Amino acid sequence: QSALTQPASVSGSPGQSITISCTGTNSDVGGYNYVSWYQQHPGKAPKLMIFAVTNRPSGVSNRFSGSKSGNTASLTISGLQAEDEADYYCSSYTSTTTPYVFGTGTKVTVL
Amino acid sequence: EVQLVESGGDLVQPGRSLRLSCTASGFIFDDYAMHWVRQAPGKGLEWVSAISWNSGSIAYADSVKGRFSISRDNAKNSLHLQMNSLRPEDTALYYCARGPPGDWDNEGPNFDHWGQGTLVTVSS
Repeated sequence: QSALTQPASVSGSPGQSITISCTGTNSDVGGYNYVSWYQQHPGKAPKLMIFAVTNRPSGVSNRFSGSKSGNTASLTISGLQAEDEADYYCSSYTSTTTPYVFGTGTKVTVL
Repeated sequence: EVQLVESGGDLVQPGRSLRLSCTASGFIFDDYAMHWVRQAPGKGLEWVSAISWNSGSIAYADSVKGRFSISRDNAKNSLHLQMNSLRPEDTALYYCARGPPGDWDNEGPNFDHWGQGTLVTVSS
């Protein structure tokens, strides 16, 4: 099972909106509404930001939103803030012999 | 407060074995599925293994199948990963993560709490 494809880096200025894509296949992203997004600051454990494509856990800012179209899921961060600078990973359930797969990761830089 | 604390990481030679542990507190451990996720130095996340709340269902990544074994002791609020026939490519920070209540495949890759990880280095 190959990793889901994410852009290596995305950047934006404070206050702007950015979108991170996560492209898979109809065996993973496109086949199930089980896509999650994680934020990871350097030296820290990942933090769940979005689950089941669009749902935010309690305590996660509503500046973070998720969506999906076909085989591509997306994470949008609106009103970009300095604290959003981190690595972001998508993850999906898959129908292959490895049931969960992560994306390649995207480094978000706040200019 | 939910806490997950991993232990057992070490420097080991290729072909040797290692057992990781994760001690949980702050929630009803035996209600929840649990997972292991690893991250090689400077690399991305890789899902490794999962176990359902009652050990009734278990899953592994192809990369570790046949070499790693996951288990849990609900009486001791602990999760384990027995790692055999270790390879240099198993070198990583191993995280313990909490899944949803019940079976490991409920609600997809919804890992809402993570430990800080324990480092496994496989090298001669």
